[in-house]
Amino acid sequence: DPKIIQKPKYLVAVTGSEKILICEQYLGHNAMYWYRQSAKKPLEFMFSYSYQKLMDNQTASSRFQPQSSKKNHLDLQITALKPDDSATYFCASSQEGTANTEVFFGKGTRLTVV
Amino acid sequence: AQKVTQTQTSISVMEKTTVTMDCVYETRDSSYFLFWYKQTASGEIVFLIRQDSYKKENATEGHYSLNFQKPKSSIGLIITATQIEDSAVYFCAMRNYNQGKLIFGQGTKLSIKP
Repeated sequence: DPKIIQKPKYLVAVTGSEKILICEQYLGHNAMYWYRQSAKKPLEFMFSYSYQKLMDNQTASSRFQPQSSKKNHLDLQITALKPDDSATYFCASSQEGTANTEVFFGKGTRLTVV
Repeated sequence: AQKVTQTQTSISVMEKTTVTMDCVYETRDSSYFLFWYKQTASGEIVFLIRQDSYKKENATEGHYSLNFQKPKSSIGLIITATQIEDSAVYFCAMRNYNQGKLIFGQGTKLSIKP
């Protein structure tokens, strides 16, 4: 059974619209992340959260907003979508405070903006 | 600033042989962790092996091993007795001691020929 669930698996959106990418993890981790993978920039770090608080933000655009309603949830809201936002978005998690442990990844949401 | 570089875009080898993939990194931190991940054709990202910067011994895990050359800031991945199912994209990544985020290299596509 997948331990990190991302929904939906595929998403097609119209330019200018808004979408929310869902992520839930059942590993008991308290640190969660979002990464983006596109043809231009493979596996690019976007955000990290620890105990539902933003720890690091490497995304220049405010159009990307993480939302953590529960400690095992970290959704990603993207507003005013652009074709350049087309990518696969991966949610990930790890145990906070132990940098030598692995980061686990979900299977990704492939977003296409038309 | 942290940076991870994989210069080999793709490698093709015969099944049952040994392959080495290169990775160099940059960091100002004295303590850090180096990881190798594999991305399968389905897009799944799977952890393979880790090297702690303060350990002199090269990490091994099954048919994966690392060639850690700290003075050269190099962490090569060695796969012995390759199998067809090892065909994937391999990513090198780094994580500093007090940071949660992983910084990834560009990836190396490995093709195993029968």
